[in-house]
Amino acid sequence: GENVEQHPSTLSVQEGDSAVIKCTYSDSASNYFPWYKQELGKRPQLIIDIRSNVGEKKDQRIAVTLNKTAKHFSLHITETQPEDSAVYFCAATLPNDYKLSFGAGTTVTVRA
Amino acid sequence: GAVVSQHPSRVICKSGTSVKIECRSLDFQATTMFWYRQFPKKSLMLMATSNEGSKATYEQGVEKDKFLINHASLTLSTLTVTSAHPEDSSFYICSARQGPYNSPLHFGNGTRLTVT
Repeated sequence: GENVEQHPSTLSVQEGDSAVIKCTYSDSASNYFPWYKQELGKRPQLIIDIRSNVGEKKDQRIAVTLNKTAKHFSLHITETQPEDSAVYFCAATLPNDYKLSFGAGTTVTVRA
Repeated sequence: GAVVSQHPSRVICKSGTSVKIECRSLDFQATTMFWYRQFPKKSLMLMATSNEGSKATYEQGVEKDKFLINHASLTLSTLTVTSAHPEDSSFYICSARQGPYNSPLHFGNGTRLTVT
């Protein structure tokens, strides 16, 4: 199956600065990469996803980039706000495999 | 958008008893649902894939007789933790997709199980 590694495990940023989380995957056939945000005690919420036919996708302050050659993808949050504080998970899936493989998560803390 | 509802949100039970958790897709049909377990400050660990009308597929290391899964309809999957022990205490979350494999996975609100 797919193996996803995520770094860093914790990230503290000053409000207004950018946050970047990086993930690598092991199987070059993986072609769907979602990112989830989970606040304490709550369900993971999809914030953005990217498919392998696209190199970058942006939604307001959030962007994701994908490098298929290097087998890594990154989440970028610009102009961070306190409400961005949460645990973020990257994930990957192989074609026609309904299972998602999750990274270990990154705890993001935005300092006011 | 797709909504997945999970019930109960919290449950406390005594060792040796069984607990049933329900997962419903409210506005779409889900032939496949997924059950995850999450330990504090840890990632989501897939326990099993629930298949409507057939047996669930369990991940390696997950006891199928311990965690009974039933997917009796296209909108309902249940997870029963049988003969619960304190080590079964955890956050259990179900999820489902409205579309194909490369469509978003939507999560239920989770169930915090505490076994005393």
